[in-house]
Amino acid sequence: EAQVTQNPRYLITVTGKKLTVTCSQNMNHEYMSWYRQDPGLGLRQIYYSMNVEVTDKGDVPEGYKVSRKEKRNFPLILESPSPNQTSLYFCASSWAGRMGDTQYFGPGTRLTVL
Amino acid sequence: EDKVVQSPLSLVVHEGDTVTLNCSYEVTNFRSLLWYKQEKKAPTFLFMLTSSGIEKKSGRLSSILDKKELFSILNITATQTGDSAVYLCAVTGGADGLTFGKGTHLIIQP
Repeated sequence: EAQVTQNPRYLITVTGKKLTVTCSQNMNHEYMSWYRQDPGLGLRQIYYSMNVEVTDKGDVPEGYKVSRKEKRNFPLILESPSPNQTSLYFCASSWAGRMGDTQYFGPGTRLTVL
Repeated sequence: EDKVVQSPLSLVVHEGDTVTLNCSYEVTNFRSLLWYKQEKKAPTFLFMLTSSGIEKKSGRLSSILDKKELFSILNITATQTGDSAVYLCAVTGGADGLTFGKGTHLIIQP
């Protein structure tokens, strides 16, 4: 089944403790992206990747890192999480973001930073 | 900076009514506009629009883009309670990312 998976789905952590949210897709998509969704602010793009070893900042990259060593995986890394990073995070993928192709979203990761 | 504005932010109607959701945008080098439906989970794709004046239709949902006036509308006819969701509009433009509006929260009352 074609899908985007994220892990974990829920995470409660404390300020400063490094964490990684994994994202994997099985559709051989070149384009992958991370978003955070907050009440009243909608979905905002954090980072995206056009292909392996190519990553770019989105609208809200501060406090986040990503890597794209393999086509299928695009982990989101919070080196030193802070409470303002408490949010709902979505990973998405598509054939080619440049063409505005349909993005397939993962199920979301709800992160709480205490 | 790319900008997407959706209106209304929230809408409550009765089952059977027709609704129109609006999305206006400012973006450099516009490429496409997308509509998504989000229930209590990840957004699901509805439409992608790239050309002005061509209506896209799927069942009771339809959408059209006006590239001159920089907006799109999403119409839902004969609404059902299952249409209750947040509807998201997004555009791709100058950068390779996707910019979302804040969404319209639609509630269909039986």
